[in-house]
Amino acid sequence: GAGVSQSPSNKVTEKGKDVELRCDPISGHTALYWYRQSLGQGLEFLIYFQGNSAPDKSGLPSDRFSAERTGGSVSTLTIQRTQQEDSAVYLCASSLAPGGGRNTIYFGEGSWLTVV
Amino acid sequence: AQSVTQLGSHVSVSEGALVLLRCNYSSSVPPYLFWYVQYPNQGLQLLLKYTSAATLVKGINGFEAEFKKSETSFHLTKPSAHMSDAAEYFCAVSRGENTGTASKLTFGTGTRLQVTL
Repeated sequence: GAGVSQSPSNKVTEKGKDVELRCDPISGHTALYWYRQSLGQGLEFLIYFQGNSAPDKSGLPSDRFSAERTGGSVSTLTIQRTQQEDSAVYLCASSLAPGGGRNTIYFGEGSWLTVV
Repeated sequence: AQSVTQLGSHVSVSEGALVLLRCNYSSSVPPYLFWYVQYPNQGLQLLLKYTSAATLVKGINGFEAEFKKSETSFHLTKPSAHMSDAAEYFCAVSRGENTGTASKLTFGTGTRLQVTL
């Protein structure tokens, strides 16, 4: 596709269940980011993948959160034992090489997660 | 550490009026600065970015921003607001280096722009 693709677009889950969110970056983009957007909290960095380098996991809020990127392309963000405070929009983004500078970071439309 | 502060969570202007959205940054190294826009139920779209070239940066949809080092500011402006500009606007900063963790963006909390008739 032309842009960053995320699925599901909406997910309602019961507290305590595990959820998986998928991100398909723009073809050829080696850098991939996950952000969380909560009401009143702005955009919070979660994790960053760049090529074969070890990911930067410094933004993951707890050990219930994990992410992987298989084959340098698709990424999955997993939240175990979901809590109500996990309700948010989870945004994936990608860029050529490391972004945040001369390479524009492109965002997907997000996965809206509601924990009930 | 880097951070941005967006003054005003909500801004309301009349159609045709000047738009001014404020952003101040804090960075220990020369920053790269960005403005993103988010329309309802959509992802973020890059409006413009400053990457140490010209201090006055022009973006899409008639928006521009000026990097002022002395004021640590990167305010977003548009001479004449249009109804279609109603959205949420985010200022962001990165370290300005294309390596490793320097590349992640740190966002402000956003400013919601309302445009009235």
